[in-house]
Order: sequence, then C-alpha cells, then structure tokens
Amino acid sequence: DAGVTQSPTHLIKTRGQHVTLRCSPISGHKSVSWYQQVLGQGPQFIFQYYEKEERGRGNFPDRFSARQFPNYSSELNVNALLLGDSALYLCASSLPSNYGYTFGSGTRLTVV
Amino acid sequence: AQSVAQPEDQVNVAEGNPLTVKCTYSVSGNPYLFWYVQYPNRGLQFLLKYITGDNLVKGSYGFEAEFNKSQTSFHLKKPSALVSDSALYFCAVRDEYSYGGSQGNLIFGKGTKLSVKP
Repeated sequence: DAGVTQSPTHLIKTRGQHVTLRCSPISGHKSVSWYQQVLGQGPQFIFQYYEKEERGRGNFPDRFSARQFPNYSSELNVNALLLGDSALYLCASSLPSNYGYTFGSGTRLTVV
Repeated sequence: AQSVAQPEDQVNVAEGNPLTVKCTYSVSGNPYLFWYVQYPNRGLQFLLKYITGDNLVKGSYGFEAEFNKSQTSFHLKKPSALVSDSALYFCAVRDEYSYGGSQGNLIFGKGTKLSVKP
C-alpha cells in the first residue's frame, strides 16, 4: 500500500510569491492534516480537513489556506511568502477513531 | 491547553546500553500520547501511542513507553540501543478539541536528538 505522498519534495520560492503543496492520503483515509516544521522545532499544526470540510485551524495567518478534494487529497496554499515560511511542510492522514496519524515525507520549502 | 515537554535537547548513549527519552505532559481530561521518530530530511515515523489500558506500551523497532499518571510522564525506552536509533524523537499529545468525525490535531514537543555511539 502506498503511504502518504507529498509533492513536490523540494521547492525554492522568492519572497512575495505564492506556493501550492499537495498531499495524497493513504487509501481509505478521509482526514488530512497539515503541519509546519521549522528547523530545530517540533511540527506545528496548520489545518485539518475531514470529509472535505475544515475541522481545525492552527495559529497561522490568513496567507495560509487549504482545501480537500472529493478524492480526499489536499492542497496547502501560502500567499505572499516570507522568509520565515521556510520550513518542512508535513501532511498526515488518519482514520476516524483510530488515532493513527501517518505522515508523509514532507515538502521542504525554501524562501529566498 | 494541552502541552508536552521534552526536557533534554540531546541524549547520548553507547550502543548496547538502555536508553530513555523523557516526556512530560499537561492535559485536561484523558491524555492521548504519541511518540514519533524523524530521520534526517524525512517525515515522521510512528513509534507508539497510549490511548488507554496498560501503562507499558510496546511499539515499533523494540521501543516501549511507560505512562505514569501521577508523574504526568510518558518516557520512551529501549533496553539495548542501536547506532541506527540515532535520530530526532518527538513526543506529542492529541489536542482536546476535535470536530465531528475528525480526531483532532497533535501538539508536539520540541524534540530530543538521540545519539548512539558504537
């Protein structure tokens, strides 16, 4: 079985640009969450989607947005990129009532 | 608010010796606790979780964790460390808020770097 897949694996963007990151959950998983991991810190929660609806949002500015598609894949969008947005962005999928969060390998975003 | 603390930035262990990576938690209600491992330039790999039941939880790769309610701790342990165990270890707690059908998000500690020397 394929795990959680994220694309692209690496990305370099310029300040002020926009970026879209993609995530495909494990087959059968309907919940997708996004996390930001800045170098030297633990992952921080950004969004959770379940059944295509936003179910949770972390303390991130409105420049961050996400959506979930009918096939349960998800996109994370970040507008007006700042140097501080440079991080590893992790996607996790899960089954309800299982508490088993499976993470992808992440997208390494560098803003220059 | 839920939180976890990992008091050690780094733990150094000789190969073959037992290892412990510490985690303490603060929650309202029942704690749902997790350990993940991260190798360089990779995502997080699940090791084990405590939801309810036995205080000693067995996980992947020979790791186990002991849930201690009175000390609000959930320390990760392994009887005999391997060089290949060298990685970054994260303790996490499930947020108390979850919405219709979802599981809630995870709140992570800052991580502990484990270094196992031959």
